[in-house]
Amino acid sequence: AQSVSQHNHHVILSEAASLELGCNYSYGGTVNLFWYVQYPGQHLQLLLKYFSGDPLVKGIKGFEAEFIKSKFSFNLRKPSVQWSDTAEYFCAVSLGGFKTIFGAGTRLFVKA
Amino acid sequence: DAGVIQSPRHEVTEMGQEVTLRCKPISGHDYLFWYRQTMMRGLELLIYFNNNVPIDDSGMPEDRFSAKMPNASFSTLKIQPSEPRDSAVYFCASSPPASAGGLNEQFFGPGTRLTVL
Repeated sequence: AQSVSQHNHHVILSEAASLELGCNYSYGGTVNLFWYVQYPGQHLQLLLKYFSGDPLVKGIKGFEAEFIKSKFSFNLRKPSVQWSDTAEYFCAVSLGGFKTIFGAGTRLFVKA
Repeated sequence: DAGVIQSPRHEVTEMGQEVTLRCKPISGHDYLFWYRQTMMRGLELLIYFNNNVPIDDSGMPEDRFSAKMPNASFSTLKIQPSEPRDSAVYFCASSPPASAGGLNEQFFGPGTRLTVL
């Protein structure tokens, strides 16, 4: 069955630490890939997306993600996190059948 | 654009009562999604529409839940009768027309926090 896996449910980092959140999907066809962020008490907002072209995409607030097709992965990275990055991060994959599957989310807590 | 609009923002009701949640998608978007979010179950897709037609309602928990989209600018999610386990935040999202690779990004509304006593 098609699925999206986020490797870590909870991540705790200190400010200025580097971040990498894993995301893998199981689907062999063409996909659109997304990372969303949900700040405490707010709705989901798009961080970045990949449809085609350069597999390294840059999003808002210094986030980037790399699509590695051979690994079915779309990991999110940020070189230096801030306290304000504390949020829940969702990876989402839109399949060729026009269905989007969200991962379970990763809660990031950044210590000031 | 005002973004996706949901009402009410908060709803507190008693078990057995009917609850209606409303959503106005972004103009020009032809996909509309209803999600439920809880601590225990995370973000769940309940149903989505394309051009006002329900495409996938496999996430609707049971017959107590129903959703309609009478026109391109309005959708409702109804729970009748409501139960305490329905307490959650319900998000509506809309999306512009799909690309060749699949659906575009979704724009989420602020959500309705439902509490059923």
